[in-house]
This record gives sequence, structure tokens and C-alpha cells, in this order.
Amino acid sequence: LAKTTQPISMDSYEGQEVNITCSHNNIATNDYITWYQQFPSQGPRFIIQGYKTKVTNEVASLFIPADRKSSTLSLPRVSLSDTAVYYCLVGELNYGGSQGNLIFGKGTKLSVKP
Amino acid sequence: EPEVTQTPSHQVTQMGQEVILRCVPISNHLYFYWYRQILGQKVEFLVSFYNNEISEKSEIFDDQFSVERPDGSNFTLKIRSTKLEDSAMYFCASGRSATNEKLFFGSGTQLSVL
Repeated sequence: LAKTTQPISMDSYEGQEVNITCSHNNIATNDYITWYQQFPSQGPRFIIQGYKTKVTNEVASLFIPADRKSSTLSLPRVSLSDTAVYYCLVGELNYGGSQGNLIFGKGTKLSVKP
Repeated sequence: EPEVTQTPSHQVTQMGQEVILRCVPISNHLYFYWYRQILGQKVEFLVSFYNNEISEKSEIFDDQFSVERPDGSNFTLKIRSTKLEDSAMYFCASGRSATNEKLFFGSGTQLSVL
């Protein structure tokens, strides 16, 4: 399993774009990169997933360079409600009922201020 | 968006007692999971379940733990003889397919062992 490294915390202000970078130097060929968000006292919530280049959905964008050794989650124009912990996970898309390799690290605690 | 439902939201028990945590996964999902999060720590994988059997389990999931899908809708985690260190938030999750495409997490059950 590829180990991930993220900043422990980040501060931002409402309306700003936030970029959270995750390092995964040992990513394997079959690994995908997935980001989850977790609010206090709630379960993690899927944000976005990608393999290479750029992925965008209604919530965020995910930028993955060609070497795939890092990835950047981009949150456009954050609001106070985006204050949460953001987790970067790297692992295979397994087939056959075994998904236990969703390994959560400590994540990045994003604090959005007014 | 469909939700994973967990009950109870809080459970207080005495050390040595048995507890059963309940989850109702999303109706058309086939893959089910339990995770736990000790206060201030990482989200940890416990067990995955598919086709009425355990697919994968972590070192945490020892003989004190068991899972069951007693009917077509519920998914339970039983801790036979609780210990103080079992105090944590327990999250149930479900997924539609065998890939790590996207897991849906419940809001969790806060278990306090006294």
C-alpha cells in the first residue's frame, strides 16, 4: 500500500480557493487516488477519485501529475461549511469483494474563517 | 442522496458487557464494512463483508468481534465482551460494487465503555 503524506492542517478564508496536496511517492501502477471529507462526529464522505491528469465534479477538482507521485485536491471558493478533515487515500480498485485497503491517514484539518 | 443509517447514535455500556451496533446499508449495495475511530485518531478498518461472509478483516477484528446480516436490510457488529479500549466511534459503510469506487458511510455510533 502506498503511504500518503498530507499537511496536518490548513487555514483559509471564505471565498478563497484551497489546494491540499498529498504525496504518495510509492504509488503502484494499479492504484487510484481518492479523497474523502469528514465533519466532526460524522462518517467520511467521498469527494472525488482519479487515476491521472485531472478530474472535476460538482464539489472539487483533482490534479494528478504525470508521475502520479502526488495529487492536489482543489476546492473552489470555500465556505465556512467546508471546515473539515480531508483524507487522501491511495489503493487498488479491488475486485472480488475485498475493499479493506481503504486506509485512512491522519488527514488535513482545513479551517475556513470568515 | 441515499444514506447508510446507524443505530443507536450513542451507546454506553459497562466493561465486559456485550453490545450490538446496527446498520442499515443502502438498499442496492452488496458490500458492507465496519470502521472505527478512537477520539482524535485515524479512521481504522475493521472488517468487510460480502455474500454473507467476511471478505477481509484487520488485526483489530479479533474473536471478540463478529458481524452478521440477519435479514435483507440490517448489518450488525457485535462486541462480545467490551473493553475500555473499545470506546470509539464505529462507522458502517456500504458500497455498490467490488471496487473502491465510492463508499457511503453512516453517521456512526459513539460507543463508551465504562
